[in-house]
Amino acid sequence: DVKVTQSSRYLVKRTGEKVFLECVQDMDHENMFWYRQDPGLGLRLIYFSYDVKMKEKGDIPEGYSVSREKKERFSLILESASTNQTSMYLCASSLPGRDEQFFGPGTRLTVL
Amino acid sequence: TQLLEQSPQFLSIQEGENLTVYCNSSSVFSSLQWYRQEPGEGPVLLVTVVTGGEVKKLKRLTFQFGDARKDSSLHITAAQPGDTGLYLCAGVKGTGGFKTIFGAGTRLFVKA
Repeated sequence: DVKVTQSSRYLVKRTGEKVFLECVQDMDHENMFWYRQDPGLGLRLIYFSYDVKMKEKGDIPEGYSVSREKKERFSLILESASTNQTSMYLCASSLPGRDEQFFGPGTRLTVL
Repeated sequence: TQLLEQSPQFLSIQEGENLTVYCNSSSVFSSLQWYRQEPGEGPVLLVTVVTGGEVKKLKRLTFQFGDARKDSSLHITAAQPGDTGLYLCAGVKGTGGFKTIFGAGTRLFVKA
């Protein structure tokens, strides 16, 4: 079974802090994604990566950056956290050319 | 902005009742997916429909893709408490998941 793990289930940070969210998948998937999920808005794509060191902006990249130094690991970085970044963050992975995405359990981030 | 609208947003029913969830868009998709998300977990893929008019069944769940590939429905027969969760539809343009648009979800609660 594909397993996607995220470093924290719950995280509380203060405004202005630098925040790192880590995601690891164990099935050698090339594609990895970061979404945020907010009530009434569904999942919105922040960034995705289709290969090591490759990254593309999604629909809402402002205030975020990503890093993919190894195939299995995709990190989301909030350079200076703000209260409007309080959300559920979901990581996903998929095989090239395949639409099914495998999701991690999510990190619920609260920025105070 | 491409939108995928789901209705209803929230549904609370008794065990044994039938229900239908709708997913509508003005955009044409190459495929449409349905995911279920349980509390504290990431979404898990239930089904992908590809052909206009296609109907797929998964035990008591019936999924239909509209003829014009712009809309879809999920029908659950004789709902059970184990069906409780958030149901998300996702429209895919192209392949690889890079152009996947998620609906806001339908939160279903089935009372015993």
